[in-house]
Parts: sequence; structure tokens; C-alpha cells
Amino acid sequence: GAGVSQSPSNKVTEKGKDVELRCDPISGHTALYWYRQRLGQGLEFLIYFQGNSAPDKSGLPSDRFSAERTGESVSTLTIQRTQQEDSAVYLCASSLDGSIGKAFFGQGTRLTVV
Amino acid sequence: DQQVKQNSPSLSVQEGRISILNCDYTNSMFDYFLWYKKYPAEGPTFLISISSIKDKNEDGRFTVFLNKSAKHLSLHIVPSQPGDSAVYFCAAKAAGNKLTFGGGTRVLVKP
Repeated sequence: GAGVSQSPSNKVTEKGKDVELRCDPISGHTALYWYRQRLGQGLEFLIYFQGNSAPDKSGLPSDRFSAERTGESVSTLTIQRTQQEDSAVYLCASSLDGSIGKAFFGQGTRLTVV
Repeated sequence: DQQVKQNSPSLSVQEGRISILNCDYTNSMFDYFLWYKKYPAEGPTFLISISSIKDKNEDGRFTVFLNKSAKHLSLHIVPSQPGDSAVYFCAAKAAGNKLTFGGGTRVLVKP
């Protein structure tokens, strides 16, 4: 597709379960970012990929969170042993040359932990 | 510690009038600032940006002003249109590719 695609669009999971969120960036975009937005708050940086490596993962909130990217394309964000405070919209963005300045965002995955 | 703050959670303005959105930051290392617009159930879309070497950048109905000494920037939308109703996020970056976002301002433009 032409834009950044994220799946699923909505995910409801039980506390303690693992979840995997997927991001398909725009073809050819070398840089990929994950952000999350908790209810009523701004976007919170999680991790940045340049190609398949992650030079900045300083925003991952705990070791329950991990992300990988393969083939300079798809990225998955995995949250293990989900907690209620993980409930948020998880947004992925990609940019052509690594500049976040004009990154394109996907529509997000709304995660609800019950 | 919120490094980027948007102190007005919401703003209501009449169609045709000016919308002014404000943003304050604390990190003096920020050198590039952006505004994003977000509709419900969609990702944010880039609107306009400004480098710290400038104090104004204009793009059509949108103008961003930067006051470095006050660590303050603002977005002016004139004239405001009903389609401008959305949540607007201010964001800033220092070196690297990490954006720090404000909490957003919800704008409602009344016809």
C-alpha cells in the first residue's frame, strides 16, 4: 500500500498475555519509529530503527518490551506479560532518509489490556 | 519531566477567525520543531516545521513562530476552517531522530 500499515487496528488482551504488533512501513523507507499514546497524553517515543538495527531504544519502558525489524521492512513490537498500564495506541512511523522531520505515521494499534 | 508542554488542552474558534496554539519547551538543546495534526482513528500527519535558526515559517494558512529566548513556539491558522478541527501536537528534537511530543491541543472550529 501507499502508506504505513499497522495490524491489528484493535487488540484486546488479558493481563499477563503476550501481544505482537506489526508495522509495514512505506516501501523504501529506511527509518522506522514506534511511539505510543496513552489516553489523554502526548506521543511517547519507544524505539527507532535505521535499517535493521536500533540505534535508539531508550524509550522502551521495560524489558517486557522488545522490537525487531527484518529485511528493512516489517517491524514487530512485542509486549510480554502485558499489564493494564500498557493500554495505549501504539503508533508506527517511517521516513525515507532517517529524518523524523517528515515521517509518515500509521493509523495505530489500540491495545486494551483487561 | 515534560520537556514539551501544550498548556491548553482545547481551543474553540469561529470559522474564519484565527486559531493560535501554543507550545513551551524546557530543553535548550532542541533545534527543530514540528506541528502535527491528528484526526480520530488516524495517525498524526505532519503540518509544518521550523528550524531553530529561524523565527517564522509560513505555509499557506499555517504559520509557526519560534521565540527561542522564551522557549516558546506557536502555530497560527488563519482563516480557520471546519476541516481544521483536530488534535494538534507540538514536537521537538535535539540531535538524533527522537521526537518529544507535547500532550496535544484539541481544536474545534465552529461553522
